[in-house]
Amino acid sequence: DSGVTQTPKHLITATGQRVTLRCSPRSGDLSVYWYQQSLDQGLQFLIQYYNGEERAKGNILERFSAQQFPDLHSELNLSSLELGDSALYFCASSVGGGVETQYFGPGTRLLVL
Amino acid sequence: AQTVTQSQPEMSVQEAETVTLSCTYDTSESDYYLFWYKQPPSRQMILVIRQEAYKQQNATENRFSVNFQKAAKSFSLKISDSQLGDAAMYFCAYRSPNTGNQFYFGTGTSLTVIP
Repeated sequence: DSGVTQTPKHLITATGQRVTLRCSPRSGDLSVYWYQQSLDQGLQFLIQYYNGEERAKGNILERFSAQQFPDLHSELNLSSLELGDSALYFCASSVGGGVETQYFGPGTRLLVL
Repeated sequence: AQTVTQSQPEMSVQEAETVTLSCTYDTSESDYYLFWYKQPPSRQMILVIRQEAYKQQNATENRFSVNFQKAAKSFSLKISDSQLGDAAMYFCAYRSPNTGNQFYFGTGTSLTVIP
C-alpha cells in the first residue's frame, strides 16, 4: 500500500459524458501527478500539480482538466468522453515538486461505452 | 520530444539467474533523470531505481542495478538472483527539468520468471 488513494476504482460511462477522478496523496506529499495507461498509447504523463499550482504538463487533451485543492487532494476531470479515453488512470504523489520518488495509487479503470 | 525505447517487449529468466533489460533514450540535454518502474499484475506502479545523469556511478538497490552509459544514451536494468516476485512489466522513464519536467516512458518489457 503506497498511501495514495484513488476513487473510484472502476468507472463505466457513455460517450459524450463527463467524469471526475479523485486522488488523495500520501500524508505530507505536496505533488500530485496524473497518468493515463492505455493499450494503444502506453503509459503517458498528463499533468503535475505542486502545492496547488500546475508544475508540469504532458500530453493532456483539452477535454481533460485537473486541479489540486488546498487540502492537496486532486481531481482529474474528463469531458466529452470518447471510446479512446478508456484507460487506467493513475495518480502519484511525491514530497516535493522535483524528481523525488513518486508513489503511485492503484488507479481508476475507466471504460467508455 | 524526448523518446524512450525499450526494444525487448518480452523477456524471461530462470529463477535465481540474472537478467538485463535494455533501454535507450534520445535527448540533447545534459541534465536529466532516468527511472525504472515495475508494474506487477496488480497494476500498481513501483519505483525500482533512479539515476541522475550528472552522477557517473551506477545506481544500485539491493538486487537491482543499472548500467548507465551517458554517451551511448543507454540505461539498462540488471536484476540479479531473480525471484518469482520480480515477474512484472518494467518501464524505463526519462525526465528533465529543461523540458517542463515531463515524463517520457518506454513501451515496457514484460518479464517472466521461470521457477
